Amino acid sequence: DAKTTQPNSMESNEEEPVHLPCNHSTISGTDYIHWYRQLPSQGPEYVIHGLTSNVNNRMASLAIAEDRKSSTLILHRATLRDAAVYYCILRDRSGAGSYQLTFGKGTKLSVIP
Amino acid sequence: SAVISQKPSRDICQRGTSLTIQCQVDSQVTMMFWYRQQPGQSLTLIATANQGSEATYESGFVIDKFPISRPNLTFSTLTVSNMSPEDSSIYLCSVEEMDRDYGYTFGSGTRLTVV
Repeated sequence: DAKTTQPNSMESNEEEPVHLPCNHSTISGTDYIHWYRQLPSQGPEYVIHGLTSNVNNRMASLAIAEDRKSSTLILHRATLRDAAVYYCILRDRSGAGSYQLTFGKGTKLSVIP
Repeated sequence: SAVISQKPSRDICQRGTSLTIQCQVDSQVTMMFWYRQQPGQSLTLIATANQGSEATYESGFVIDKFPISRPNLTFSTLTVSNMSPEDSSIYLCSVEEMDRDYGYTFGSGTRLTVV
């Protein structure tokens, strides 16, 4: 399975930008980089995903290194509602041949008022 | 994005019994998945629910313990059989959305406590 490495936890001040790093040195050419977040007592929520180019949406931006061995999720202005566990995941093929998401431990983001 | 309704949202069950969890999606989806999240842990994929055929189970999960049905493109069930306290977890349904360029949507989960 493709694997990612994230810091266990990070802190950010409210209204400040947040850069959440992810290393995926064994990524293959067809693996998409997905980011999800999980708020307390909820299921994971899709944030953003990309393959090679940087991506922007209303929630966040995804910056992908040129060699694709790392990426950074950028929250432009952290709010208290952004406090969650953020998962960086490589969408890869299972042994049965279907695509799947394999979750790691994620980064717990705390937002300080 | 698709809207997933998962039932029940929580339950407390006696050991040795079985519980069936339902996952209803408001649109047709090709890929549906079942995950388990043990207390304080990340999500672990149990199986891929295949429409019209047997589910594909991940290592460590077997059909006798976690039978799965997928009768159509909008519905699936997961049964947790012969439960023990070690089965106390959150069970989540997920779908892959082709309309969103293969992003995934998750249900809110079923919190199961086995006593």
